[in-house]
Amino acid sequence: GNSVTQMEGPVTLSEEAFLTINCTYTATGYPSLFWYVQYPGEGLQLLLKATKADDKGSNKGFEATYRKETTSFHLEKGSVQVSDSAVYFCALSDLYSGGGADGLTFGKGTHLIIQP
Amino acid sequence: DAGVIQSPRHEVTEMGQEVTLRCKPISGHDYLFWYRQTMMRGLELLIYFNNNVPIDDSGMPEDRFSAKMPNASFSTLKIQPSEPRDSAVYFCASSLGAGGYTFGSGTRLTVV
Repeated sequence: GNSVTQMEGPVTLSEEAFLTINCTYTATGYPSLFWYVQYPGEGLQLLLKATKADDKGSNKGFEATYRKETTSFHLEKGSVQVSDSAVYFCALSDLYSGGGADGLTFGKGTHLIIQP
Repeated sequence: DAGVIQSPRHEVTEMGQEVTLRCKPISGHDYLFWYRQTMMRGLELLIYFNNNVPIDDSGMPEDRFSAKMPNASFSTLKIQPSEPRDSAVYFCASSLGAGGYTFGSGTRLTVV
């Protein structure tokens, strides 16, 4: 079956530090990959996505590259801000498992804390 | 568009009572998903619908849980009878195909 593994948190960084949150996946078909962000008390918001190998998703200074050879989709940001503090979820959707959308398989989330 | 709308935002109920959670998806979206989020288990897909038809309910934990989608603009998730271990945040999400999933703000359920 499908699965997503992401690094355990919390991850604590100082403002302006470089961020990497690792994510690897297992899928039976040709998945699309996503990063979602959840701020306290809110729902999940799509941060970025990539639909095929070597695609790079980017948004708000965050980026992630779909690496099929290493089955990875690591999230990076060059200089984090206090406002980036949130929980980040890596997820996949296997487009071929049911011929259409089949729901997202999520990692367990990584809590990011940015200190001023 | 107002996004995916869930109600209520918070629900506190006594064990044994029936609980109904509601969701209004984004107009035009053909998929609707119900998720449950807990600290121990993370985000779990409970059930999803395509064009109002339930496609996969294998994530529904037991017979106490049921979900319906009587039309394209409304879905309910019902728990009867509720138990303390059902306490969680329940999210509804909708999508147009596999193009992108939009989540509601969730319903925080507490069963005492």
